[in-house]
Amino acid sequence: GAVVSQHPSWVICKSGTSVKIECRSLDFQATTMFWYRQFPKQSLMLMATSNEGSKATYEQGVEKDKFLINHASLTLSTLTVTSAHPEDSSFYICSARDGIGVSPLHFGNGTRLTVT
Amino acid sequence: GDSVTQMEGPVTLSEEAFLTINCTYTATGYPSLFWYVQYPGEGLQLLLKATKADDKGSNKGFEATYRKETTSFHLEKGSVQVSDSAVYFCALSEAGTALIFGKGTTLSVSS
Repeated sequence: GAVVSQHPSWVICKSGTSVKIECRSLDFQATTMFWYRQFPKQSLMLMATSNEGSKATYEQGVEKDKFLINHASLTLSTLTVTSAHPEDSSFYICSARDGIGVSPLHFGNGTRLTVT
Repeated sequence: GDSVTQMEGPVTLSEEAFLTINCTYTATGYPSLFWYVQYPGEGLQLLLKATKADDKGSNKGFEATYRKETTSFHLEKGSVQVSDSAVYFCALSEAGTALIFGKGTTLSVSS
């Protein structure tokens, strides 16, 4: 089945540094990828929709200058958390749709970010 | 806007008990409905889905029926196992857009 690979699975960084998270669709092409953030014991909140070859669409309240998204190819999207702060510590999950319309999303295993 | 409401957990059951996790939704159009499962330490996996009213999604003994009249998509399983312990998310998607998730329900099954 369709596989989405997310890397790294966990990262610890110091406050003020930047962290890049990669999301790859391994056996299908994904024109659209989605980035979610999950706080402990809470639901997944959509951060942005990443479209190949164009600018990402951010949800209300998500700082686009802080969470930089690049979708340079049909199999790779990256999320860079710039100038990270402890409040950015969270679980970030990417997903990609294998097909169009109501085809289900496939999720990466997520990245646990801890900012110290 | 669209939203999904799930029953709050945790749900604690003994092995072979009957499971119901309630899910209701609000949507402006005719969404597709999904249940995702997140096992400890793993990513989200699609459990089942339904794309139109009265459709029944099923997988691994789990079932959910798309009820338009009650805007519900309750998850059921007749006999749970310890291996079913996980967090279950109800979600909807309209016209292929990003999923909107409920808050998740933690299920803990003991032997």
